[in-house]
Amino acid sequence: SAVISQKPSRDICQRGTSLTIQCQVDSQVTMMFWYRQQPGQSLTLIATANQGSEATYESGFVIDKFPISRPNLTFSTLTVSNMSPEDSSIYLCSVAEVSGANVLTFGAGSRLTVL
Amino acid sequence: GENVEQHPSTLSVQEGDSAVIKCTYSDSASNYFPWYKQELGKRPQLIIDIRSNVGEKKDQRIAVTLNKTAKHFSLHITETQPEDSAVYFCAAPTGSARQLTFGSGTQLTVLP
Repeated sequence: SAVISQKPSRDICQRGTSLTIQCQVDSQVTMMFWYRQQPGQSLTLIATANQGSEATYESGFVIDKFPISRPNLTFSTLTVSNMSPEDSSIYLCSVAEVSGANVLTFGAGSRLTVL
Repeated sequence: GENVEQHPSTLSVQEGDSAVIKCTYSDSASNYFPWYKQELGKRPQLIIDIRSNVGEKKDQRIAVTLNKTAKHFSLHITETQPEDSAVYFCAAPTGSARQLTFGSGTQLTVLP
């Protein structure tokens, strides 16, 4: 399965600042997604990162708050903008395995704490 | 979109006993149902999945059953061990791009 590297693994941020999370995959993948996992909660899909075009956002998530880039088939970034304490979460990059429909592999996640 | 409900939210069992976690889904067109295990501080990892053309799938101590008529599927873990302690998530497809919607999770604790 694909190997996903995410960074930073964790960070402590000040209110009002922005942070960019990077996701690097060791092979070309068509489908790449960003999920959020709030403390003690499930995984919520933020958006699908589309290569060469704008990301597709889920209800409740907007581009101004969570801008996403996908310059090629192995790399994506998620920015959390103008952060507030409510943005304290784990953000996970995931990719759909070529071998099977809907089989997702996850990165290790980026744990953000906003003070 | 797909709605996935998962029960129970917490489950404690004695080592060696069986554990069952249940999920229901809303979209009758869904055809793929995975289960993920997330250990504390780790990433979710796929442990077993089932496609809609079969009713049951087993892999050693874990099994998944699917009832398409009732739109529910279950995870069965037999002969539980302390290392089975984790949060388990069920999921179902949503959208057209192979995304998944996850259930709310079950914290399984296996007591030695």
